[in-house]
Amino acid sequence: NAGVMQNPRHLVRRRGQEARLRCSPMKGHSHVYWYRQLPEEGLKFMVYLQKENIIDESGMPKERFSAEFPKEGPSILRIQQVVRGDSAAYFCASSAASTNYGYTFGSGTRLTVV
Amino acid sequence: GIQVEQSPPDLILQEGANSTLRCNFSDSVNNLQWFHQNPWGQLINLFYIPSGTKQNGRLSATTVATERYSLLYISSSQTTDSGVYFCAVINTGANSKLTFGKGITLSVRP
Repeated sequence: NAGVMQNPRHLVRRRGQEARLRCSPMKGHSHVYWYRQLPEEGLKFMVYLQKENIIDESGMPKERFSAEFPKEGPSILRIQQVVRGDSAAYFCASSAASTNYGYTFGSGTRLTVV
Repeated sequence: GIQVEQSPPDLILQEGANSTLRCNFSDSVNNLQWFHQNPWGQLINLFYIPSGTKQNGRLSATTVATERYSLLYISSSQTTDSGVYFCAVINTGANSKLTFGKGITLSVRP
């Protein structure tokens, strides 16, 4: 029973490149959440998705960031034209339809923009 | 939005000591979780505890929802307990969005 799988674990991009972060939820979970953790800070909510739908994107920056959770395959967080300020750890969590058992987080993707 | 405050911000313990970590929140919640982020950055789910008391080995947690706080107890601390402890809540009616506190950095010395 694999947990939430994120890849890659580490990602280095040059300024102006694109970053794609992947998240496969736990088996049976249909809700996915992305969070960002800047150095020395707590996690900040970015976006909440269900299959083929964005439910809440109130935490997403207005430009360059997008997320999807297609009918088949993992959820993708995409950052276009990365800047140094995008360097952070990006965590994905998943839950079942009911959140009575809480959220399970993946191990995160550490993005470094050079 | 809901505010989550954790205290103390930093804690240094000698191995074997006990400690209490506190989480205060400003509004009603229907989800509260405690997480441990280890020195490698992994986020480990410790407790799902919107109310009541739970225990898991040397760790236990209590949430008093009516008074808007939760406590995490660590007994007989070990060096592997070091890391950052986060409290996270979902405000009732807040569309499943977890709000995290800033965390408590715990260092356990041998």
